[in-house]
Amino acid sequence: QQQVKQSPQSLIVQKGGISIINCAYENTAFDYFPWYQQFPGKGPALLIAIRPDVSEKKEGRFTISFNKSAKQFSLHIMDSQPGDSATYFCAASKETSGSRLTFGEGTQLTVNP
Amino acid sequence: DSGVTQTPKHLITATGQRVTLRCSPRSGDLSVYWYQQSLDQGLQFLIQYYNGEERAKGNILERFSAQQFPDLHSELNLSSLELGDSALYFCASSPYLAGATFEQYFGPGTRLTVT
Repeated sequence: QQQVKQSPQSLIVQKGGISIINCAYENTAFDYFPWYQQFPGKGPALLIAIRPDVSEKKEGRFTISFNKSAKQFSLHIMDSQPGDSATYFCAASKETSGSRLTFGEGTQLTVNP
Repeated sequence: DSGVTQTPKHLITATGQRVTLRCSPRSGDLSVYWYQQSLDQGLQFLIQYYNGEERAKGNILERFSAQQFPDLHSELNLSSLELGDSALYFCASSPYLAGATFEQYFGPGTRLTVT
C-alpha cells in the first residue's frame, strides 16, 4: 500500500522559475514530513522538514506548504538553478513506528539554463 | 557529508552468495535505519535498530538480517542472493528517542549488483 503519493514524476523548469512538487498522504498518524534531495550516485540529503502544527516553513529558496485537512504537502523551489537538478523525494514518518520514513515515488527535476 | 559512512561502495557478487554491508552512524546517533532503493520499488524501509535492539521492521526478506553492535555500527547481511536483490542499500542514522521524531541522515550507499 503506497501511503505517500508524489507528483509529478518529472519536471522541467527554466532557470529562475519556481519548481513545485506535490505529495499526498493517507495515514493521519504521520507527524513528520521531510523532503530529501538526491543526486546521481549519492545518498538522499535532508533538505527541509515540517511538522503538522505549522502550515508553512521556509529555508532559503525552499518552502514547504502543509495542508493538514487535505493531507497534502508541497515543496516550492524559488529562483530554481541548474544546480537544483536532482531527484526530490517527499517522505512521512510517525514516532509510533520508530520514525521509519515512508517515501514518495520521487520527482526528477531538471532546471534548464 | 552527512557523517554516516557505509562500506563497501560497490559490491558485485553471484546469485546464491552472501554479503555483508556495513554502516557507521553519525557520532552520537543511537538509531540506525536500513533502506533499499531499486528502480521498481523506490526507497523502501527495511529495518531499524536503536542502541543495539531491533526497533522496527519493514518489508525485509527472511534472507536478510541485520544487527547493531555495542559501538553502534550496524551490519546488513544478505544471503542466498537473487538477481532481484540488485539495488542501492542505504543506511541512515538519527538521535531517535521514544516520544519524538528526529531527522534522519543518509550515508552514501552501497551499490549491490548480483550477477
